[in-house]
Amino acid sequence: QKEVEQDPGPLSVPEGAIVSLNCTYSNSAFQYFMWYRQYSRKGPELLMYTYSSGNKEDGRFTAQVDKSSKYISLFIRDSQPSDSATYLCAMTPGGKLIFGQGTELSVKP
Amino acid sequence: DAGITQSPRHKVTETGTPVTLRCHQTENHRYMYWYRQDPGHGLRLIHYSYGVKDTDKGEVSDGYSVSRSKTEDFLLTLESATSSQTSVYFCAISESTDGRAYEQYFGPGTRLTVT
Repeated sequence: QKEVEQDPGPLSVPEGAIVSLNCTYSNSAFQYFMWYRQYSRKGPELLMYTYSSGNKEDGRFTAQVDKSSKYISLFIRDSQPSDSATYLCAMTPGGKLIFGQGTELSVKP
Repeated sequence: DAGITQSPRHKVTETGTPVTLRCHQTENHRYMYWYRQDPGHGLRLIHYSYGVKDTDKGEVSDGYSVSRSKTEDFLLTLESATSSQTSVYFCAISESTDGRAYEQYFGPGTRLTVT
């Protein structure tokens, strides 16, 4: 079993929809959680960074961490075609990052 | 791409040949990483460096070596390329100050094909 599980999708939604992307993990020592966005044939770019549990909001994006359930989420409000990309979660107990395999998202106009 | 360049961007090579990929940063960050990205596996760490001449192995280090003789450059060498090393290779950097050591910034990638 992988330490970090992420549904690869693909996920297709209409423009304006609320998108929910999720990862589960097995290592209770993870404390730092990140979401990266990766456009086709580009390097991943850091989207959100969260330490420990709780919510963090940045514009249309909200990152949520539930350590009791070992579950993290990224919500995208009012999704746009420009949000079409692969979203990767990443986490660490305080050292090397462990990545999920990424969820491919397509937002249709 | 946060002042990170990778070269070459694309390479096709034959099985058994040595290959060196270069990562160059202008951010003066302490930590540098090499990952490979494959369908179904996400990003997997090959090697990383925490300073000049200081390197360590990652999850998938077999068949790879690295060197860092200057802060700005981190080289990844495939000693004898195999078809299983066909992949997209990403370099990343991070800095250990102000509690944000785990924010990594990625380069544009190198697409390597071993025939």
